[in-house]
Amino acid sequence: NAGVTQTPKFRILKIGQSMTLQCAQDMNHNYMYWYRQDPGMGLKLIYYSVGAGITDKGEVPNGYNVSRSTTEDFPLRLELAAPSQTSVYFCASSYNTPQGYNEQFFGPGTRLTVL
Amino acid sequence: LAKTTQPISMDSYEGQEVNITCSHNNIATNDYITWYQQFPSQGPRFIIQGYKTKVTNEVASLFIPADRKSSTLSLPRVSLSDTAVYYCLVDDSNYQLIWGAGTKLIIKP
Repeated sequence: NAGVTQTPKFRILKIGQSMTLQCAQDMNHNYMYWYRQDPGMGLKLIYYSVGAGITDKGEVPNGYNVSRSTTEDFPLRLELAAPSQTSVYFCASSYNTPQGYNEQFFGPGTRLTVL
Repeated sequence: LAKTTQPISMDSYEGQEVNITCSHNNIATNDYITWYQQFPSQGPRFIIQGYKTKVTNEVASLFIPADRKSSTLSLPRVSLSDTAVYYCLVDDSNYQLIWGAGTKLIIKP
């Protein structure tokens, strides 16, 4: 199994440009997540999905959009990039039950710089 | 909303036991408390998870008191390779994931 994969690894955007960060998992997990991590800081949840076709906002959703058309893929869309979106973006997945959140598996991250 | 509090940093020496405590109020009654480890330029990696009392696996122990307002990650006999940032993760009564700010652990020879 490849686990959680993310592309690209690095990207530089100009202010106002748009891009999509790709995330895929091959573990048949129902939950997927997008986080951002600013330098020296903890993780902030942007969006998450509990299954194909279902997404919900996390703590910092403004400036981002997501979709989940399949169990495997969970792309994150940045519209009108701003310098404040300079960060490392992590995608994660887990198999959760009604009893709670289980172990999350993280991708290697995408380092995004907006200039 | 739940809030978590962890020490910003700690240091210790090889072979010592290290305990990192996370305070968390207003967490969901029946959900897990989870700890992750993160090395530079990598995603976090699961260490241990528990609901109450004590949980032990091959790398760590997790102690959770009855009131569940805190949890303590215990790393036995640390080595240089345990130098990393450690995060606690809880979900609050609204089932929102709340990550701690992280504790930077430095192990010295």
